Amino acid sequence: NAGVMQNPRHLVRRRGQEARLRCSPMKGHSHVYWYRQLPEEGLKFMVYLQKENIIDESGMPKERFSAEFPKEGPSILRIQQVVRGDSAAYFCASSPGLSGDTIYFGEGSWLTVV
Amino acid sequence: AQSVTQLDSQVPVFEEAPVELRCNYSSSVSVYLFWYVQYPNQGLQLLLKYLSGSTLVESINGFEAEFNKSQTSFHLRKPSVHISDTAEYFCAVKGEGGSYIPTFGRGTSLIVHP
Repeated sequence: NAGVMQNPRHLVRRRGQEARLRCSPMKGHSHVYWYRQLPEEGLKFMVYLQKENIIDESGMPKERFSAEFPKEGPSILRIQQVVRGDSAAYFCASSPGLSGDTIYFGEGSWLTVV
Repeated sequence: AQSVTQLDSQVPVFEEAPVELRCNYSSSVSVYLFWYVQYPNQGLQLLLKYLSGSTLVESINGFEAEFNKSQTSFHLRKPSVHISDTAEYFCAVKGEGGSYIPTFGRGTSLIVHP
């Protein structure tokens, strides 16, 4: 499968725990985007990364959320001390990195905080 | 800054009827435009895109969209819908030569009734 791979697909965490969501971009893609989807709210941009570099994190909450895309391995979206309001679908997308490029999405990770 | 407005949150239609899903955008630069489709519990799949050239673009499953610069619109149409077209449809815009981050509309839920 050469598509964008996200795991886990479903994750349940208790309030106060940490959630880690992983994303492997398509082969040949060096740019990764994370979006959050809440019911009735559409897709909200969170963060845009290149290998070892955060390009734009203007959509990331200031606290508890962080993202990285190391030289080796997948991109990680980390949510510390989760709260019920963090329950959502988190989508990763990737592109080769040129302005006209289409971005391709993974299947998403559904986080439920209980 | 760029933004996307999808005027209808839900569009119910009967099978074999025509449908139009509306999308308007705003941007201070030239744009690339996209329509994505999302089936329940899945990621977003690219349906069609406008980068340059002909303002009318088509998908392989009968959808088409027309870029109208004067009206800043990129409406999605299909002359005859099927039950299987029931899904959420998202319009997205990227600014040419500027931000590589697509901005998405809130989505339109297309519901096809038998």
